[in-house]
Amino acid sequence: GQNIDQPTEMTATEGAIVQINCTYQTSGFNGLFWYQQHAGEAPTFLSYNVLDGLEEKGRFSSFLSRSKGYSYLLLKELQMKDSASYLCVGAGGYQKVTFGTGTKLQVIP
Amino acid sequence: DGGITQSPKYLFRKEGQNVTLSCEQNLNHDAMYWYRQDPGQGLRLIYYSQIVNDFQKGDIAEGYSVSREKKESFPLTVTSAQKNPTAFYLCASSIRSGGGTDTQYFGPGTRLTVL
Repeated sequence: GQNIDQPTEMTATEGAIVQINCTYQTSGFNGLFWYQQHAGEAPTFLSYNVLDGLEEKGRFSSFLSRSKGYSYLLLKELQMKDSASYLCVGAGGYQKVTFGTGTKLQVIP
Repeated sequence: DGGITQSPKYLFRKEGQNVTLSCEQNLNHDAMYWYRQDPGQGLRLIYYSQIVNDFQKGDIAEGYSVSREKKESFPLTVTSAQKNPTAFYLCASSIRSGGGTDTQYFGPGTRLTVL
């Protein structure tokens, strides 16, 4: 099975940078996803890392260290619309994923 | 536009009634999934289907049933046997690449309230 651990809540200021950490334990590792979920809406895909290192997509970047069982999502130039929950999702085995409980990010002016 | 649709967005039912939630996708994805989301918990897998006419139980299948008669459709029935059915239900789909784990794309969700 898998265990996903991420902070419950974070607050950051508009225009700043925030890093959301995620640690995972898995019996078989097949990559790690990040999703964004606004309140009452569906999760939307942000990134997928299967190799170590940093992947950048515009204002969002995701990092993975397989040896440490660790990932983070980095959000730059925060905007008010970035206020949402960010879900860390571990992939273990064929088509098997485990969702973390999510980190609720509040961006303040 | 390609995507996943779920209807209705809000659904109210009396206790003891069965209710069916619809999920349709036109992404030509082979695999479809149903999740349940409760406050303070991660999404939990109810059922999934990798191909038409085949589906598998997820982690919390008790009190639910599904069918997969068409590639595009994967309806979920919440039966009266489900002890705590009030929740946000999310349908997702993915390609089935044959190896690894494919990205799942979600529908807008149905919020079910049982009175």
